[in-house]
Amino acid sequence: AQSVTQLDSHVSVSEGTPVLLRCNYSSSYSPSLFWYVQHPNKGLQLLLKYTSAATLVKGINGFEAEFKKSETSFHLTKPSAHMSDAAEYFCVVSGANGGSQGNLIFGKGTKLSVKP
Amino acid sequence: KAGVTQTPRYLIKTRGQQVTLSCSPISGHRSVSWYQQTPGQGLQFLFEYFSETQRNKGNFPGRFSGRQFSNSRSEMNVSTLELGDSALYLCASSLGPPGAGSSYEQYFGPGTRLTVT
Repeated sequence: AQSVTQLDSHVSVSEGTPVLLRCNYSSSYSPSLFWYVQHPNKGLQLLLKYTSAATLVKGINGFEAEFKKSETSFHLTKPSAHMSDAAEYFCVVSGANGGSQGNLIFGKGTKLSVKP
Repeated sequence: KAGVTQTPRYLIKTRGQQVTLSCSPISGHRSVSWYQQTPGQGLQFLFEYFSETQRNKGNFPGRFSGRQFSNSRSEMNVSTLELGDSALYLCASSLGPPGAGSSYEQYFGPGTRLTVT
């Protein structure tokens, strides 16, 4: 069965400093992995996805993530945080009920706070 | 292109009642999935439809049901509402089809906030 573990429930950074949101996954086959962001009272927005192509994936708003099979990790990074990055971030793996990947399995989320 | 729309955005119901939520996917998308988001359980998969067929179902009781119409619009229904059904219900659409090796992105709507009193 697939699962994801987000290692931090809350991360706080200062504006202009790097962001690191950690995610470990478990999958019995080569997974598709995603990072989504949810701003308060808004829906979920896709930041980036990994689908067994390049292991370093670039997303929107300056975010990127690196797939490391040996460490079963898919950490999200950004070189310089902006106030507008304050939100909740979800690491997601695609499910595989009978081979279908139509359902997503979400981590518990990491709330990112950005201090001025 | 218009995004995923969900109606209504907010709903207040009483225990024992039933509720129907609606989702209109992005034009051209044929797969619709539903998720429940609560502070305690986080985001949990409810079910997924593709071409009017339920392809996947999460671990929810039979009180939760859904359907998809020929125009890909989807509805979910919750009968005999319980207090614990209070949640944000999110709908997501994708080009589909689901299947091994598929990695279509899912695009989410703003959600329907259901409060059961």
